[in-house]
Amino acid sequence: GQQLNQSPQSMFIQEGEDVSMNCTSSSIFNTWLWYKQDPGEGPVLLIALYKAGELTSNGRLTAQFGITRKDSFLNISASIPSDVGIYFCAGQVKTSYDKVIFGPGTSLSVIP
Amino acid sequence: NAGVTQTPKFRILKIGQSMTLQCTQDMNHNYMYWYRQDPGMGLKLIYYSVGAGITDKGEVPNGYNVSRSTTEDFPLRLELAAPSQTSVYFCASSYNWAINSNQPQHFGDGTRLSIL
Repeated sequence: GQQLNQSPQSMFIQEGEDVSMNCTSSSIFNTWLWYKQDPGEGPVLLIALYKAGELTSNGRLTAQFGITRKDSFLNISASIPSDVGIYFCAGQVKTSYDKVIFGPGTSLSVIP
Repeated sequence: NAGVTQTPKFRILKIGQSMTLQCTQDMNHNYMYWYRQDPGMGLKLIYYSVGAGITDKGEVPNGYNVSRSTTEDFPLRLELAAPSQTSVYFCASSYNWAINSNQPQHFGDGTRLSIL
């Protein structure tokens, strides 16, 4: 079945650095979503991408929907301590219920 | 606003016991979802509901049951708890389907369930 791979699995960065993380799949998706999960809380949607090639920003976050529709990346500029958390990508495919598949997550730690 | 409220936050069950995970939302959302989150595996959809009285299976429904008698409540039931059901369970709701960025899913804070 469809599966998403995220890289890196975890990263430790210095405050102020830029961050880049990827999500890839062997399957084509119609929509890509990026979520952030803080410890002990549920995921929160950061960015949604609907068209191949689409580049969307949300504050310091920028995400792109890959041309092949099989990948997406998320960049965070000038990281701050509150960026700490797990970042999940998710892809949506057309099935009987518009199935959303989540990646395993990238854990981000920011060193002040 | 309370948003999506899940109870309990933590629970330990013995193999074979049953329990109901409660989920309620006060945003008048039509769509509700139950996910499980296992380490390194992301979220997997167990069941979902598009409105009161309507429920459907997601990706991993075996061993679970749901009901949706009201718009606000979407309980998840485990009839015969098994160790494989040890996980963190998240309930979510949205006005429209999950992928709509203008009406995103709102998640609860999760229920951490251990089956021993």
